[in-house]
Amino acid sequence: DIQMTQSPSSLSASAGDRVTITCRASQSISGFLNWYQQRPGKAPKLLIYSAFTVQSGVPSRFSGSGSGTDFTLTISSLQPEDFATYYCQQSYATPFTFGPGTTVDIK
Amino acid sequence: QLQLQESGPGLVKSSETLSLTCTVSGGSISSSNSYWGWIRQPPGKGLEWIGSVHFSGRTYSNPSLQSRVTMSVDTSKNQFSLQLTSVTAADTTVYYCVRASRLMTADYWGQGTLVTVSS
Repeated sequence: DIQMTQSPSSLSASAGDRVTITCRASQSISGFLNWYQQRPGKAPKLLIYSAFTVQSGVPSRFSGSGSGTDFTLTISSLQPEDFATYYCQQSYATPFTFGPGTTVDIK
Repeated sequence: QLQLQESGPGLVKSSETLSLTCTVSGGSISSSNSYWGWIRQPPGKGLEWIGSVHFSGRTYSNPSLQSRVTMSVDTSKNQFSLQLTSVTAADTTVYYCVRASRLMTADYWGQGTLVTVSS
């Protein structure tokens, strides 16, 4: 199985901050990397697919980059509604696997 | 707007079979570009992809669960379902049904349903 890791596991930030979350795959997954946001008590929501394509309806402050084994999710200016847990997921090979999550909370 | 809704018992006895159904509205389950999947999440923990099914009958199951998982599609009801046999306490999680693209990106999610396995 392809193992996904994320760093940091949690971070504290203020509204307006630029936030970067890193995801690493245990082997190359080309660009088959997706990012999801999960607010407490809610289902995850797709933000980014294929490493850098922003899902329709997702604010432009969210962006993704990377290929191979290393990927990043960037929130250019954190908004109050962005405090949540973020997961990466590889869709390169079965079984499709998720990272452990990065929780973004209020400083 | 595509919507998915899980239904099924919230409590299952250990060693029995967990059965969940997902009803799709706002779109056809017979779309050739759609895969219908199940993802689960233990309370307070991470996500696990259980498997996916296509209306053609093609299925994929996570090898860690494959021997216990059956998935199917009912095109007449625009529903798909999950059966997980021989459940244990480790199967106590929130189960989400999802629509996945050809890239296996879960772009639509149900609200999730908590299933508790009791002894």
